[in-house]
Amino acid sequence: EAGVAQSPRYKIIEKRQSVAFWCNPISGHATLYWYQQILGQGPKLLIQFQNNGVVDDSQLPKDRFSAERLKGVDSTLKIQPAKLEDSAVYLCASSPELQETQYFGPGTRLLVL
Amino acid sequence: QKEVEQDPGPLSVPEGAIVSLNCTYSNSAFQYFMWYRQYSRKGPELLMYTYSSGNKEDGRFTAQVDKSSKYISLFIRDSQPSDSATYLCAMKNTGRRALTFGSGTRLQVQP
Repeated sequence: EAGVAQSPRYKIIEKRQSVAFWCNPISGHATLYWYQQILGQGPKLLIQFQNNGVVDDSQLPKDRFSAERLKGVDSTLKIQPAKLEDSAVYLCASSPELQETQYFGPGTRLLVL
Repeated sequence: QKEVEQDPGPLSVPEGAIVSLNCTYSNSAFQYFMWYRQYSRKGPELLMYTYSSGNKEDGRFTAQVDKSSKYISLFIRDSQPSDSATYLCAMKNTGRRALTFGSGTRLQVQP
């Protein structure tokens, strides 16, 4: 079974630029999560999708972050404009329906200069 | 106060030692408790999953949950250099499916 795929793996941008990350969850997983992991901290939830609907985006900085999950499969997370404090690893995870375990992708490491 | 507290380490032990990793939490609604292992530049990988209180064993790994003390532990027996990684505790309640993570403990097993 293929795992969660993410791209790109690394990205370096300057502040005020925009950036987008892509995630392909494990086939058949209904729930998709985006987490932000700042160096030395645990992952923090940004947004949770159930199929193509948003379940929880309470911690998403909506003035600059947006996310979508078209057709309930792939998802993209966008930051526009980026700030220095957005430097982090952005992790995508997915879980099957009615299961509590989450499976993580390798993450996208973002550096904002 | 953070919802989940975890000692960041680093914790350095010799090969073959028994390792004890711990987390405390403040939210009594948490019912599901997990331990993830994260190697450098990789995503977290699920190690152990426990519902409510009690112990669970899987090979060299044992997870314990004490809900009365709001304290969870992960024990690693016969530790190996390949166990060197950051260990994240994570937990959730029944309603919200997202996980609340600790900050992670970095473990180094010296050969």
